[in-house]
Amino acid sequence: EAQVTQNPRYLITVTGKKLTVTCSQNMNHEYMSWYRQDPGLGLRQIYYSMNVEVTDKGDVPEGYKVSRKEKRNFPLILESPSPNQTSLYFCASSLGGGANYGYTFGSGTRLTVV
Amino acid sequence: AQSVTQPDIHITVSEGASLELRCNYSYGATPYLFWYVQSPGQGLQLLLKYFSGDTLVQGIKGFEAEFKRSQSSFNLRKPSVHWSDAAEYFCAVGAANFGNEKLTFGTGTRLTIIP
Repeated sequence: EAQVTQNPRYLITVTGKKLTVTCSQNMNHEYMSWYRQDPGLGLRQIYYSMNVEVTDKGDVPEGYKVSRKEKRNFPLILESPSPNQTSLYFCASSLGGGANYGYTFGSGTRLTVV
Repeated sequence: AQSVTQPDIHITVSEGASLELRCNYSYGATPYLFWYVQSPGQGLQLLLKYFSGDTLVQGIKGFEAEFKRSQSSFNLRKPSVHWSDAAEYFCAVGAANFGNEKLTFGTGTRLTIIP
């Protein structure tokens, strides 16, 4: 089944404790992206990647890091999480280009930083 | 920069009634437009998308949307809603800026269905 898989689904952590949210897709997609969803704000892009070793900032990148060492994986790293990073996070992937534009989303990771 | 406005935060309709969810966008060129649905505790599922051509787009689950360039709108419609349509709906505009196929989302419309 074609899908984007995120882990974990739920995570509670303490301020300053490094964490990684994993994301993997099995569709051989070029584009991958991380979004965060907050009430009243919709979804906002954190980082994106156009291909292996090619990543760049989205609209709200502060406090986050990413890497794209393999085409299928795109982990989100919070080096020193803070309470304002409490949010619902989505990973998404897209084949890209013209009529292929449009993301497939993972099921989300609900992160709470206390 | 592109933006999306969904003016209705919450809509309640009776089962079997018709539905229209509003979406207005701002973008300098011809946009890519999307509607996604998010059921409670789930990710986002693509309902339909518009790139070009016919301005009336058919999607999954009986939904359709009409692109109106003159009004910068892309409203989502369904002739008869089912209880299972209760969810949050997001309109999004896409722009391939320097290779970033970013989606800019509206703030969402939560749909409640009453029996």
